[in-house]
Amino acid sequence: DAKTTQPTSMDCAEGRAANLPCNHSTISGNEYVYWYRQIHSQGPQYIIHGLKNNETNEMASLIITEDRKSSTLILPHATLRDTAVYYCIMTTDSWGKLQFGAGTQVVVTP
Amino acid sequence: KAGVTQTPRYLIKTRGQQVTLSCSPISGHRSVSWYQQTPGQGLQFLFEYFSETQRNKGNFPGRFSGRQFSNSRSEMNVSTLELGDSALYLCASSLGMSGNTIYFGEGSWLTVV
Repeated sequence: DAKTTQPTSMDCAEGRAANLPCNHSTISGNEYVYWYRQIHSQGPQYIIHGLKNNETNEMASLIITEDRKSSTLILPHATLRDTAVYYCIMTTDSWGKLQFGAGTQVVVTP
Repeated sequence: KAGVTQTPRYLIKTRGQQVTLSCSPISGHRSVSWYQQTPGQGLQFLFEYFSETQRNKGNFPGRFSGRQFSNSRSEMNVSTLELGDSALYLCASSLGMSGNTIYFGEGSWLTVV
């Protein structure tokens, strides 16, 4: 599976958009981009995933560059409850084999 | 729709004992995978089952094993427990096809003393 690179930490003001970058320069054509977040060592919470096209759901938007070498997760209006570690993961494997990195610690401040 | 359910949530075992953890996937999901999370190693993949067959396995010793039943419920077992096995054990389920969403349970906290 391709490796991803994420910033170690980010701060975001409550009510503002949070833009979380992820580099995946070695991604292959059939690898998906998945985003999860984890709060206080609870189970990782699914946020969004995509292959080539940008995706949006009730939680976030996922913007994938045309060459697919990077992506950005956008939380449109950050709240204090969005404070968590965010993981960007590439996988060809639909069979549950997610390779987690260290993720980005996002802190939303009032 | 019920999520992924893991039992027990918390348990304490003694070195040398064995432990069995259980996972009930989301209804209709046929793939169940297991992960170990420790402060030092982060989240690491243990193994994955689909329709009662192990399809993928991570780099863990043979003391870690699992199985899946015909109703897709899964168990993992750790034998001869070591202090280093203390961790949060997470189960995840999906339909098992390319691009499917993978959902995690809340985990089982294992402490080995």
